[in-house]
Amino acid sequence: DARVTQTPRHKVTEMGQEVTMRCQPILGHNTVFWYRQTMMQGLELLAYFRNRAPLDDSGMPKDRFSAEMPDATLATLKIQPSEPRDSAVYFCASGLDQGTELAKNIQYFGAGTRLSVL
Amino acid sequence: AQKVTQAQTEISVVEKEDVTLDCVYETRDTTYYLFWYKQPPSGELVFLIRRNSFDEQNEISGRYSWNFQKSTSSFNFTITASQVVDSAVYFCALSEYTGFQKLVFGTGTRLLVSP
Repeated sequence: DARVTQTPRHKVTEMGQEVTMRCQPILGHNTVFWYRQTMMQGLELLAYFRNRAPLDDSGMPKDRFSAEMPDATLATLKIQPSEPRDSAVYFCASGLDQGTELAKNIQYFGAGTRLSVL
Repeated sequence: AQKVTQAQTEISVVEKEDVTLDCVYETRDTTYYLFWYKQPPSGELVFLIRRNSFDEQNEISGRYSWNFQKSTSSFNFTITASQVVDSAVYFCALSEYTGFQKLVFGTGTRLLVSP
């Protein structure tokens, strides 16, 4: 049963610390998205990649957030330094933007990383 | 700009009742995709359906059905004979049709099904 894997599932850290969240997309998927879910803002896009190249990171605070895809099986989202307002659930999603109409353009989500910054 | 509105914040029903979750969207695009996702208490987002804007046929999958009406910009979701396991937050979402674009989500509707 192919699925998107995110680690860690939960992270509690202190303000100012570096946080790294990891995502393993579904094998063969060529597009990866990072979303953040908060009570106030709901689900919002932070960044996304196609074939490992960043396409849009306009939703990300550039001074402290960075997103990368070191290889096709790993995407990372880093926050340095973290702040209490970064507390949220961070979701990774992957999908395929080619192939049959039936299969493409559907985003499959991981279980999320729940981040608490104290 | 794209926008999705789910006016129902929370709905409570008793098991076996039918329930409809409303979704209204705004977009200047002539072609686009619409989606529904389910977020159970465990927290992950589960894909339910994707519909493209030029296919207005309604769809039924077991107890789930979707009514897409382009004329009213609505994509409503009905659960027939609800069950306790249907308790979750349901999100409607919209994306551009060209390429593989971000999802714009509504604020979600929390469905509580009691026995």
